[in-house]
Amino acid sequence: SQKIEQNSEALNIQEGKTATLTCNYTNYSPAYLQWYRQDPGRGPVFLLLIRENEKEKRKERLKVTFDTTLKQSLFHITASQPADSATYLCALPFGVTGFQKLVFGTGTRLLVSP
Amino acid sequence: DTGVSQDPRHKITKRGQNVTFRCDPISEHNRLYWYRQTLGQGPEFLTYFQNEAQLEKSRLLSDRFSAERPKGSFSTLEIQRTEQGDSAMYLCASSLWDSLHGYTFGSGTRLTVV
Repeated sequence: SQKIEQNSEALNIQEGKTATLTCNYTNYSPAYLQWYRQDPGRGPVFLLLIRENEKEKRKERLKVTFDTTLKQSLFHITASQPADSATYLCALPFGVTGFQKLVFGTGTRLLVSP
Repeated sequence: DTGVSQDPRHKITKRGQNVTFRCDPISEHNRLYWYRQTLGQGPEFLTYFQNEAQLEKSRLLSDRFSAERPKGSFSTLEIQRTEQGDSAMYLCASSLWDSLHGYTFGSGTRLTVV
């Protein structure tokens, strides 16, 4: 069955450094992949979508890569700030085209220290 | 439009009682989703609607769970005969039919069954 894996251990980094989070998946070839941010007690917030034919996507300090051969997406936050501290979730569409829903990974918690 | 609204934000109930949650999606979105999230996990898919039609239900959704979306507007999720294992955050999200702009989530309803 399809599986989505994110590092369950929290990632601690210093302010100003680049944070890199990983999303791996198996037994599936998604047409796209999405990344979300979730703060405690709140619902996830959509950040970026990257399609299977795109190697890289950028939005301000965020960069996402998508390697369909490795079945992996990397999510980078450059010049990280304490306000970037949150849990980051990757999500892939599952189901028949036109009737798909998103399935989420477990998320990785990012802690940025001043 | 102020986004996706969920009510109530918190619900404490005794085991065996019935509870109902409401979700008001973004008015232009024709898809509505229910997810459940427990601590340290990503959101788990429960069910989704396209307009008023319930298109898919997860195997996680036992017979005690029922969801409706009358007239394709707001949705309700009812849990009958609640059990302690039902304690979780219940998230509602909405999207356009193709989901390529991501899901917009509400802040969730946190259910505690005592």
